[in-house]
Amino acid sequence: GAVVSQHPSRVICKSGTSVKIECRSLDFQATTMFWYRQFPKKSLMLMATSNEGSKATYEQGVEKDKFLINHASLTLSTLTVTSAHPEDSSFYICSARDSGETGELFFGEGSRLTVL
Amino acid sequence: LAKTTQPISMDSYEGQEVNITCSHNNIATNDYITWYQQFPSQGPRFIIQGYKTKVTNEVASLFIPADRKSSTLSLPRVSLSDTAVYYCLVGVYNQGGKLIFGQGTELSVKP
Repeated sequence: GAVVSQHPSRVICKSGTSVKIECRSLDFQATTMFWYRQFPKKSLMLMATSNEGSKATYEQGVEKDKFLINHASLTLSTLTVTSAHPEDSSFYICSARDSGETGELFFGEGSRLTVL
Repeated sequence: LAKTTQPISMDSYEGQEVNITCSHNNIATNDYITWYQQFPSQGPRFIIQGYKTKVTNEVASLFIPADRKSSTLSLPRVSLSDTAVYYCLVGVYNQGGKLIFGQGTELSVKP
């Protein structure tokens, strides 16, 4: 089946640094990808919709200058957490929609960010 | 986007059938109903999707009444490994459009 890969799966960084998380669709093309964040014992919260070749669409309350999203190709979207702080520590999950006939949505395995 | 309401948690024992009901009173005509399973520190995993009546696959069944304002995920003979959070989502799944997650139901299966 279709696979969405996230890298890194875990990252620890110091406060003030920037961290990039990659989301790749391995065997299909994805015009649209979505980024979620999830706090412990909470549901997934949609952060933004990433569109290939255009600017991301952010959900209300999500700082676009804080969470930079780039979708430069049909198989890769990146989320950069800029000047990370401890409150940015979370589980970040991406999903990718197959651009083909099915239009199915597949989720990555998530990336755990810990900011010290 | 249609909002969903599910029980926050459910307990069950191994071998039992578990039914999780989700309410989605303002579901739109084009919306599909999709259920996902999530284990701790993993991404959600697709379980089943339906539009109306009943859908069955190798892991679950999905029952949708005629008015489509609710749906029930049925897990036959659960095992300990079915302990997870189950999310009911409503939206235009196979086209453009985002999926919004509700609270989910934390299912705990005991021996």
